[in-house]
Amino acid sequence: QVQLQESGPELVKPSETLSLTCTVSGDSISGTNWWSWVRQPPGKGLEWIGEIYHSGATNYYPSLKSRVTISMDMSKNQFSLKLTSVTAADTAVYYCARNLAYHYAMDVWGQGATLTVSS
Amino acid sequence: IVLTQSPGTLSLSPGERATLSCRASQSISSIYLAWYQQKPGQAPRLLMSGTSRRATGIPDRFSGSGSGTDFTLTISRLEPEDFAVYYCQQFGNSLYTFGQGTKLEIK
Repeated sequence: QVQLQESGPELVKPSETLSLTCTVSGDSISGTNWWSWVRQPPGKGLEWIGEIYHSGATNYYPSLKSRVTISMDMSKNQFSLKLTSVTAADTAVYYCARNLAYHYAMDVWGQGATLTVSS
Repeated sequence: IVLTQSPGTLSLSPGERATLSCRASQSISSIYLAWYQQKPGQAPRLLMSGTSRRATGIPDRFSGSGSGTDFTLTISRLEPEDFAVYYCQQFGNSLYTFGQGTKLEIK
């Protein structure tokens, strides 16, 4: 059974950097799937942030691209999200997810990590 | 590519048929269209990929159809557990976008 678990601080100050980690169990991040981050502001819809492949290749949503870095630690079977210069607009539930190979869809999701940006 | 879902809210009773629409701002390949269900406080759950391929464990009362710019998720007979928010999602130009969601509520 594949499981994803987000971890990281729940509160970040404005202008600081958000760092979240997704730990994957039951699947190897060095396999054929891409791995994504998705966020959901309170009461709003889903926003895809970006994805990473084990080769190190990444794709980011254009409006966030200048502030986002997604990386991998294959020794720990984890991938991570860094978002710089956060503002209140970055307050959201952050999900990590597996992009099922050749399906162009996210079939396994973490439970979500709630992040608040506030001083 | 912008995805527009309609209606914003759909009020139906258990046992009824639900039809949810997702319209793309430009034509997309059907292999790139997916649907998700999200209940309050939970992560989204994949229902459908490739427009009409049900994900593992999804009951056959859920079906997907469409092509080009118009796609539909149909729930043939609503069960109480089907009342939730539904999102369509597309992949194109190496990025994913979601529709704004349709809330399916009990009438």
